[in-house]
Amino acid sequence: SYELTQPPSVSVSPGQTASITCSGDKLGNKFVSWYQQKPGHSPILVIYQDTNRPSGIPERISGSNSGNTATLTISGTQAMDEADYYCLAWDSSTGGVFGGGTKLTVL
Amino acid sequence: QVQLVQSGAEVKKPEASVKISCKASGYTLSKYYMHWVRQAPGQGLEWMGTIIPGDGSTTYAQKFQGRLTLTRDTSRSTVYMELRSLRSEDTAVYYCARDEIVVAGPDAFDTWGQGTLVTVSS
Repeated sequence: SYELTQPPSVSVSPGQTASITCSGDKLGNKFVSWYQQKPGHSPILVIYQDTNRPSGIPERISGSNSGNTATLTISGTQAMDEADYYCLAWDSSTGGVFGGGTKLTVL
Repeated sequence: QVQLVQSGAEVKKPEASVKISCKASGYTLSKYYMHWVRQAPGQGLEWMGTIIPGDGSTTYAQKFQGRLTLTRDTSRSTVYMELRSLRSEDTAVYYCARDEIVVAGPDAFDTWGQGTLVTVSS
């Protein structure tokens, strides 16, 4: 079955850039979406089709996807960005596949 | 505005079944997939299955084949998730989430329900 791998945690200082990776076999050939989840809340879509932001998501959140790795980048990180982040891709055999999630800590 | 409102928390005994509803409003149900995702306590997100409300066709994750059934009542704009033969490992928050139907297939979940906690305990 298809798998996506994320680092369990990423730390960043306020104002700096945070990068969260999501790795999978030939992931660049699939569309990846990213979700932000804060404790006790439902996930929120922050990136779809690798690079697109839904309305209301700030421009400092961006995405890319190439080769075997998709990356979520948060520029000028703020305290409000502290959350868990999950990538999602679709596999023809497995269906929907989430990465294990990354806890972003803003120190 | 677009909303997905789920039914309330459930407590079930092992081997029982649970059926959760997800009522959609603010959009045309038939134009979007409805996916179900669960999250065990302290764990990550897990895709369970998908229904196309327009024709009722379904796709299930292999892990849930035979235990999971997704149905819909278009007259009520509501989708249902039934999970049978519950065990303690099924204790989780269950979410419905919509995804616009496009030619390329399932893509991204742009709206989520508030979640329904299911607790399985003897």
